[in-house]
This record gives sequence, structure tokens and C-alpha cells, in this order.
Amino acid sequence: QQPVQSPQAVILREGEDAVINCSSSKALYSVHWYRQKHGEAPVFLMILLKGGEQKGHEKISASFNEKKQQSSLYLTASQLSYSGTYFCGTAPRRRGGNNRKLIWGLGTSLGVNP
Amino acid sequence: DAGVTQSPTHLIKTRGQQVTLRCSPKSGHDTVSWYQQALGQGPQFIFQYYEEEERQRGNFPDRFSGHQFPNYSSELNVNALLLGDSALYLCASSPPGGPRTYEQYFGPGTRLTVT
Repeated sequence: QQPVQSPQAVILREGEDAVINCSSSKALYSVHWYRQKHGEAPVFLMILLKGGEQKGHEKISASFNEKKQQSSLYLTASQLSYSGTYFCGTAPRRRGGNNRKLIWGLGTSLGVNP
Repeated sequence: DAGVTQSPTHLIKTRGQQVTLRCSPKSGHDTVSWYQQALGQGPQFIFQYYEEEERQRGNFPDRFSGHQFPNYSSELNVNALLLGDSALYLCASSPPGGPRTYEQYFGPGTRLTVT
């Protein structure tokens, strides 16, 4: 089942904060976050493997609530370079199976203006 | 350290033809995954190769096949091309062992246009 991302799009002024959410109807093994700029390949930001895990990358951090099957990406003091489409990829929890298959959301388009 | 490379960058084919796309993983990586990304959509998982075998597959018809070579590079083959196969095809490689094995690093993609 494809994870649901919200919001679909957001426009920020430089320096503002934003939160992007990713929800799944299935139990999750891991959540992956990527950023893709127009015409370029997705760039890995971070992966969260354990429920409750939080990670950071520059001023971008994420949390993973395993019970709620949700992850949130936090962008703090946004910079112009943060513009792009953010995708979450989820790996469903499977017994004895390979959890590397990612199912991607439709993406959240983020624009940062000066 | 070279990242993931893909060739060709762009390709135009006619309906019914066959195409082969190539991917070289990042140095030290042993797993290769292939994705199809239509315009305005997220990547769709096609399949994943490890130790020269297809380990997992997404919901793609048998027209889509692949191969992994002993040097970990990989090919994606698509037969009997349809107009709907037009998309950006992405290859991603993953490092071996440990928690980092779940990370995926993408190549620049091959833009396939079917006319």
C-alpha cells in the first residue's frame, strides 16, 4: 500500500519551518526520506529503522512512530537549497522476508522563496 | 569515489521495440534496485538484484527483466515497448551488511521516450 504524504505542496519564505508527514496503512520496518530536484535523481536524506528513532541531517530531522505507522520530516530555518520534492519510501514489515523493497509516496513539493 | 552511473542518459524508441538500460553501482555496493518514475509521480519499484539473482519484484509484467553481473553492475531489459513505458528509469545501489544496507543511492537515470 502506497504511503500517504501530506501536505502535497508547501511554499515557504527563507528561514521558515515546515513539517512533512508520511503515513502508512501497513506495519513498517523502515522509513526512508529523499529529496529530488527537478530533472535530477532522488538524493538520500536519512533512514529510520526503529520505532521512535529520530535522525538529523543539517537542519533537517525526522522521526518515526512505529505504533502509528507514521514518519515526519522537519525542516528548520529553511534555505533556498531545500526546494524540491520530498519523498518518503516505506519498507513494510514482513516476517522472514526481505525488507528492502521500498514503496514510495507521491511526494511533497516544497518551494522556498527569498 | 564515483557514484552510481547509468547509460544512456536519454533514449528514444518505437512501440514494439526492445531496450536495454545499464547501471554501475557505487563502489563497494553489491545490491542494485531499479525504479520507474513517471512525470510527477514517485518512483515505482521494478525489481532488486543481489548476488546476480532477482531478490524482489514489484508489480511489473514479465516484459521487464534484468540481470546482475559478477562486478555488481546491472541491466534492465524491456521488451515489446508500449507508449506507457515512457518514463525516467532510476537505478539505486545499496552497501552490503549492517543497517546501512537499507540505504539506497540513485544514479542520474535514463529518460526513455517511446513513440
